[in-house]
Amino acid sequence: EADIYQTPRYLVIGTGKKITLECSQTMGHDKMYWYQQDPGMELHLIHYSYGVNSTEKGDLSSESTVSRIRTEHFPLTLESARPSHTSQYLCASSDRVGYNEQFFGPGTRLTVL
Amino acid sequence: SQKIEQNSEALNIQEGKTATLTCNYTNYSPAYLQWYRQDPGRGPVFLLLIRENEKEKRKERLKVTFDTTLKQSLFHITASQPADSATYLCARASGGYQKVTFGTGTKLQVIP
Repeated sequence: EADIYQTPRYLVIGTGKKITLECSQTMGHDKMYWYQQDPGMELHLIHYSYGVNSTEKGDLSSESTVSRIRTEHFPLTLESARPSHTSQYLCASSDRVGYNEQFFGPGTRLTVL
Repeated sequence: SQKIEQNSEALNIQEGKTATLTCNYTNYSPAYLQWYRQDPGRGPVFLLLIRENEKEKRKERLKVTFDTTLKQSLFHITASQPADSATYLCARASGGYQKVTFGTGTKLQVIP
């Protein structure tokens, strides 16, 4: 079954640690996205990619970085986590054709102590 | 900049009634509007989209309208059920390699 996966679902980590949030999709979508969402707040686009070796920064400035070496994989990395990075991170993908319907993963809830 | 505005107040409605949620946008009309459902702690799930040249779109108990004069989309859930309780997000998009912009969402609570 085609799907989009995120790991870990929950992560509690200390300040200064390096973390990587994983996102994989089995739908063969060219376009992938990372959103950040605080509880009860709107989704903010922080990174997107339109294909392998393509990455762009989104509307909300973020200290995280992303890579897209394989079509199905779009990991997000924080080199040095801080409490201000505490949030929900949602990965999504959409097809190259169509109307950009976003397929979301279950999200990673990150808490930085 | 383009903005999507949704009523941030929660909407409480009695089971069996029709719930109507509003989405307003600023500046130019998007090529289409999308509606998503988001449950607590989960990622949004795509429900429907409506193109700017369509007045109305239906899917089962859902109906979406698009009024380019009012710069507004209405999302209706008929015969609402407690299981419909969630936050509903409106999003604007322009197709191709354009980004999707989400509204803040409206929380719907259907009371049995």
